Amino acid sequence: DAKTTQPPSMDCAEGRAANLPCNHSTISGNEYVYWYRQIHSQGPQYIIHGLKNNETNEMASLIITEDRKSSTLILPHATLRDTAVYYCIALFYAGNNRKLIWGLGTSLAVNP
Amino acid sequence: DTAVSQTPKYLVTQMGNDKSIKCEQNLGHDTMYWYKQDSKKFLKIMFSYNNKELIINETVPNRFSPKSPDKAHLNLHINSLELGDSAVYFCASSQGGQGDSPLHFGNGTRLTVT
Repeated sequence: DAKTTQPPSMDCAEGRAANLPCNHSTISGNEYVYWYRQIHSQGPQYIIHGLKNNETNEMASLIITEDRKSSTLILPHATLRDTAVYYCIALFYAGNNRKLIWGLGTSLAVNP
Repeated sequence: DTAVSQTPKYLVTQMGNDKSIKCEQNLGHDTMYWYKQDSKKFLKIMFSYNNKELIINETVPNRFSPKSPDKAHLNLHINSLELGDSAVYFCASSQGGQGDSPLHFGNGTRLTVT
């Protein structure tokens, strides 16, 4: 019952921008979009999140469409170490009850 | 100075045994979680504790019992282990309540039941 859909895999050349799409057409007005990544055999690592506005940090940029039905994670200059599974997740709050529903993510391969 | 640390990293045991996994966070967070990642790589929440109180229990068999002695620790005890319990178990923490603080995960415990 994941609330987001992502392509199962993508390739990117080293040094180029990686643009990872995510559809979340059923997202509610109070649901944040979170991005995590999981490098093989490690725990998921937080990348970025947003509600309505585009966001940027030292790792990536997040572009959210105006209708909030989709978003794109941008890694501006992908490196080999960015090879990982990237998860786009909608987070719902009900007081202290935070639920992240994870899908299968996008397996990004950065090629030399 | 690992933020969220789990022990052991690997755990191999036989069916019917009882085992525990420990988790500690040094981030000062007030909410901790246990997640299970199965062979298909789905991550599913099992439990969530806020200030030592259970707030999420996602239809997990009662053979699984979390224990939070203080808000920096959340341990997972599993009784009568079954083959289907084989998975990677991740502990995580966040600053709960209002706001939107992200989860910080440990590096997982790979449990293999034979």
